[in-house]
Amino acid sequence: SQQGEEDPQALSIQEGENATMNCSYKTSINNLQWYRQNSGRGLVHLILIRSNEREKHSGRLRVTLDTSKKSSSLLITASRAADTASYFCATSNISNFGNEKLTFGTGTRLTIIP
Amino acid sequence: ETGVTQTPRHLVMGMTNKKSLKCEQHLGHNAMYWYKQSAKKPLELMFVYSLEERVENNSVPSRFSPECPNSSHLFLHLHTLQPEDSALYLCASSQNTGTRWGDTQYFGPGTRLTVL
Repeated sequence: SQQGEEDPQALSIQEGENATMNCSYKTSINNLQWYRQNSGRGLVHLILIRSNEREKHSGRLRVTLDTSKKSSSLLITASRAADTASYFCATSNISNFGNEKLTFGTGTRLTIIP
Repeated sequence: ETGVTQTPRHLVMGMTNKKSLKCEQHLGHNAMYWYKQSAKKPLELMFVYSLEERVENNSVPSRFSPECPNSSHLFLHLHTLQPEDSALYLCASSQNTGTRWGDTQYFGPGTRLTVL
């Protein structure tokens, strides 16, 4: 079953503005990761936040995690045209086989308008 | 960019053809994955290999047959596919599987498969 769900499905903002994307999930997790995908390409890992962390920063990215609400947000500050991509959250937990399993959402399509 | 390469990048095949997708990782990782990405659907995990042993198979039809001859190479053999199998097939690798805090997965650029 689908674990992470991103909101909104699509977002368009002007260059320079901040972009916020949200992710909600259903079951307990070990960690939550955010990935970016440019059109028709592979996914690129952005940031990982562990279940005992509440906030993490990496450059212009800020991720928060609220395990009580089972939600996470990704903030991109001072957006650039190159940030145009789809963004996915992926929740990590251990599968029945004892392997770490990432479950991806359907993504948020972010468009930065120059 | 990521150290994971996939060939071919694009593939068009008929339903009676047999083809193979290839993935190679240059990162010294122990785990490799196949995912299927269809339009407007979440990424679907197909297979997981750890140290060349298949450790997970998520109810994938037998017309998809994976092979992992060593920890750097992963293949996906395709035969008698259906049009609904058309999708982007992504390969990924990570240092290990089964760690509590999780490993980052590194993805290849994908193979765009079209089944006619």
